[in-house]
Amino acid sequence: DVKVTQSSRYLVKRTGEKVFLECVQDMDHENMFWYRQDPGLGLRLIYFSYDVKMKEKGDIPEGYSVSREKKERFSLILESASTNQTSMYLCASSPTGPGRSNEQFFGPGTRLTVL
Amino acid sequence: GIQVEQSPPDLILQEGANSTLRCNFSDSVNNLQWFHQNPWGQLINLFYIPSGTKQNGRLSATTVATERYSLLYISSSQTTDSGVYFCAVCISDNDMRFGAGTRLTVKP
Repeated sequence: DVKVTQSSRYLVKRTGEKVFLECVQDMDHENMFWYRQDPGLGLRLIYFSYDVKMKEKGDIPEGYSVSREKKERFSLILESASTNQTSMYLCASSPTGPGRSNEQFFGPGTRLTVL
Repeated sequence: GIQVEQSPPDLILQEGANSTLRCNFSDSVNNLQWFHQNPWGQLINLFYIPSGTKQNGRLSATTVATERYSLLYISSSQTTDSGVYFCAVCISDNDMRFGAGTRLTVKP
């Protein structure tokens, strides 16, 4: 079974802090994604990565950066947390390439509260 | 961009009842997935179904890609089926769009 893990289920931070959210997958997937989920707005893509050290902006990258130094790990960084970044953050991974499905698998999520 | 519409937005059932959830999408897609979000927020994969019909226990799904819709059937519902069901479509490997979800409540 594919397993995607996230470093924290719940996180409380203060405005202005630098926040790291970590995601690890164990299925050698090329693609990894960070989404945030907010009531009434659904799931929105922040960033994705299709290979080590490669990244692409999603729909709402402002205020975020990402890092992918190893294939299995994808980090989301809030450089200076703000209250409007209080949200549920979901990490996902998927394979890619000929003959492979691009089914996405999600981690358990991190509920971040910024005070 | 592509629109993904799910219906109904809310559904309340008595345990043991059957239900059908619908997902309409406005353009051609590479694949379609159904997820169940449990009360703790985790998205559980139910089906990867770009076309055709699949069954897994009490759940089954059908996607008619040419008519741009997919249906999720839940039979003999249980309280543990409660949660939000999402349909998501992929335009490309890296572009997945989610519907707003159907919130299902199964009462004992």
